[in-house]
Amino acid sequence: GESVGLHLPTLSVQEGDNSIINCAYSNSASDYFIWYKQESGKGPQFIIDIRSNMDKRQGQRVTVLLNKTVKHLSLQIAATQPGDSAVYFCAETPTYGGSQGNLIFGKGTKLSVKP
Amino acid sequence: DAGVTQSPTHLIKTRGQQVTLRCSPKSGHDTVSWYQQALGQGPQFIFQYYEEEERQRGNFPDRFSGHQFPNYSSELNVNALLLGDSALYLCASSFGLAGGDTQYFGPGTRLTVL
Repeated sequence: GESVGLHLPTLSVQEGDNSIINCAYSNSASDYFIWYKQESGKGPQFIIDIRSNMDKRQGQRVTVLLNKTVKHLSLQIAATQPGDSAVYFCAETPTYGGSQGNLIFGKGTKLSVKP
Repeated sequence: DAGVTQSPTHLIKTRGQQVTLRCSPKSGHDTVSWYQQALGQGPQFIFQYYEEEERQRGNFPDRFSGHQFPNYSSELNVNALLLGDSALYLCASSFGLAGGDTQYFGPGTRLTVL
């Protein structure tokens, strides 16, 4: 995997604003994508997922968009709250080449919400 | 409904020692995957267990080994510890082997190698 060191990309937003976190994935054969939220000292927490036969999926306050043409995934958080402050990871699951099931994580983005 | 649990939460070892980490999957799940997360990075896949067998493996040396028990719980063993093995070790559980099933993560075990 890639090494990103200690300096994660950071997104700083005002409480109540909408947040958009972007991710470029690596494998065009991947057909399942997940966004995880990781708070300090905790394991990744599932937020929302999307399959490659869709281009948009909505959850509670969150929307995931998938653009397979450019291998791009985004997470939109509406009305961002201080509790949304965390590191966000996108993950993909390739389903070919004997690699079913293992997740490949992208570079994380640190979301900081200012009250 | 109990989520994924891991033990211990923290562990300190010295170089050359061996360590065993434990994981209990979420209720109803039968597949366990292990990940290593170095500080400031995303989790890296180590291996996956299903029906008590290692089904997939990431790019980790043989010093990393595991086991799955009939009750679906799992252990991760690391031999001949190196300083670079210091990381958060995450266990994730899911149902079945087919790609695309949501993996739920435990809180992790923080391993420090001195």
